[in-house]
Amino acid sequence: AQSVSQHNHHVILSEAASLELGCNYSYGGTVNLFWYVQYPGQHLQLLLKYFSGDPLVKGIKGFEAEFIKSKFSFNLRKPSVQWSDTAEYFCAVNQAGTALIFGKGTTLSVSS
Amino acid sequence: EAGVAQSPRYKIIEKRQSVAFWCNPISGHATLYWYQQILGQGPKLLIQFQNNGVVDDSQLPKDRFSAERLKGVDSTLKIQPAKLEDSAVYLCASSDSLGFSTDTQYFGPGTRLTVL
Repeated sequence: AQSVSQHNHHVILSEAASLELGCNYSYGGTVNLFWYVQYPGQHLQLLLKYFSGDPLVKGIKGFEAEFIKSKFSFNLRKPSVQWSDTAEYFCAVNQAGTALIFGKGTTLSVSS
Repeated sequence: EAGVAQSPRYKIIEKRQSVAFWCNPISGHATLYWYQQILGQGPKLLIQFQNNGVVDDSQLPKDRFSAERLKGVDSTLKIQPAKLEDSAVYLCASSDSLGFSTDTQYFGPGTRLTVL
């Protein structure tokens, strides 16, 4: 069965620290990969996505993710986090036209 | 561009009661999804519509859950009767996918259901 695994349940960082959130998936065939973010009190928003091409994807607010096909991974990175990055982050995967399969999410807390 | 609209935002009911949620997708989006998000987990698909037809309802508990999208635009998800384990956030999402590989799903604010 297809699945998505997020390595960290809760990450606590100080402002300006670097961030890397792990995501691995188990899915045969060609996949689309996504990171969604949910800020406190807000709905799920798309952070970035990978469909094809350059495996290094840049998203909004300085986030980027790298697709490593051989490792079935799509890790999210940001060189310097801000207090406003406090949120829950979800990795998700699908095949064309199908529903998303989400990981359990990672809660990021950034202290100022 | 208006986003995905959902109502109500919050609902509290007692077990064995019925409840209905409404979703209006982004204008022109052919595909509509209902997801269930239980506390501490990621969203999980309940049902997917393409226009007014069901594409995937394999994970919908059909003995108590039903959904419809009669005119291919807005959709209603119903639970009857509700159980304690149905307490969750119910998310609606839409995309303009017509089988192309570049679809992106946009989510509404969700309905938080508490079953007592």
